[in-house]
Amino acid sequence: QKEVEQNSGPLSVPEGAIASLNCTYSDRGSQSFFWYRQYSGKSPELIMFIYSNGDKEDGRFTAQLNKASQYVSLLIRDSQPSDSATYLCAVNFSGGYNKLIFGAGTRLAVHP
Amino acid sequence: DGGITQSPKYLFRKEGQNVTLSCEQNLNHDAMYWYRQDPGQGLRLIYYSQIVNDFQKGDIAEGYSVSREKKESFPLTVTSAQKNPTAFYLCASKVGRDDYTFGSGTRLTVV
Repeated sequence: QKEVEQNSGPLSVPEGAIASLNCTYSDRGSQSFFWYRQYSGKSPELIMFIYSNGDKEDGRFTAQLNKASQYVSLLIRDSQPSDSATYLCAVNFSGGYNKLIFGAGTRLAVHP
Repeated sequence: DGGITQSPKYLFRKEGQNVTLSCEQNLNHDAMYWYRQDPGQGLRLIYYSQIVNDFQKGDIAEGYSVSREKKESFPLTVTSAQKNPTAFYLCASKVGRDDYTFGSGTRLTVV
């Protein structure tokens, strides 16, 4: 079983629409959850992190966490062509040594 | 400015050759990580280190080795035992609970 799972996409949305990206994880003890954006050939950039159940908003981005369902999502409102990238979900797995585990990423394409 | 420096940006390796990727940070972070990324894939953890002189295998450590002799440095050696080393390699460091910083990466190609 993969530890962090995402749909690979591509997810195609029109400009101005809401893009919804989903992620599930296997470790019930995980406490920290991250969304990164990665442009081709570049290193990941942190968009948001979330620790508590519920929603966390930052500008056009909203992260949602449901620990009971082991599910975390990212909503991007008013999507722009510049949002076209791969979005990586990452989970800080619990245990003696914390380690950040990534999903395979969802490719988002925002078309004008 | 504080950050992580990875070098070289591009590296070419011949079959059977060992190569070392450099990762240096001036952030005074204790924890450091190496990830590998293949095209269309997420990042997979190779090795990580929480403190000097200590490191742990990640999910895909076979064919790789590391050292952590100084807090600032965490070099990764890709050995000849790694049969498919062509990939994008990312180094990261962490301070506190979850403050991760990534380097700009090294793209390794076998020729």
